[in-house]
Amino acid sequence: DAGVIQSPRHEVTEMGQEVTLRCKPISGHNSLFWYRQTMMRGLELLIYFNNNVPIDDSGMPEDRFSAKMPNASFSTLKIQPSEPRDSAVYFCASSLSTGGGYGYTFGSGTRLTVV
Amino acid sequence: GESVGLHLPTLSVQEGDNSIINCAYSNSASDYFIWYKQESGKGPQFIIDIRSNMDKRQGQRVTVLLNKTVKHLSLQIAATQPGDSAVYFCATETGANNLFFGTGTRLTVIP
Repeated sequence: DAGVIQSPRHEVTEMGQEVTLRCKPISGHNSLFWYRQTMMRGLELLIYFNNNVPIDDSGMPEDRFSAKMPNASFSTLKIQPSEPRDSAVYFCASSLSTGGGYGYTFGSGTRLTVV
Repeated sequence: GESVGLHLPTLSVQEGDNSIINCAYSNSASDYFIWYKQESGKGPQFIIDIRSNMDKRQGQRVTVLLNKTVKHLSLQIAATQPGDSAVYFCATETGANNLFFGTGTRLTVIP
């Protein structure tokens, strides 16, 4: 398996533009997580899905952020409009199952820079 | 709320020495614990995990110790190598399959 695949690896955009980050989880994993990593705040959980259904989106910073999982093999995180403070590395992770006790596999991340 | 902290933000060790990275957590209901390693430009990589019904687990060159009484977790790396240089995160899970990550300790191995 190729692991969790994220695209793009790097994204530079201007303030106000829409940004879409993409993730392909490991086949067979039914939980998917979006994290944001910054120096100041570390790794923060934004949202997670179980069987394509959003379970907890309490970490989503504000309405400018939205996430979807239309099927078991694809998820997107969208920021519209983007702001400089959104600059961070965004990670997607997937897990075999809910219920605890399964480690997460992370993708390589998308480094977002909003200028 | 949940919090997971680390005692030291940075740790430098001589190549060949043993490393110990510590982590404190706040939620006594946490029942699953994981250590991750993150190298520059990469996502966190699973190292080793332990469930709350255990107090020690060993892997290849790594050992995780869990002290539930004081809510403390440690990662021991034996014979530290330059390739071990990275940021190490502890993470805790409390049933709902939602990991909380600590702030990370940067381990630097001195050749």
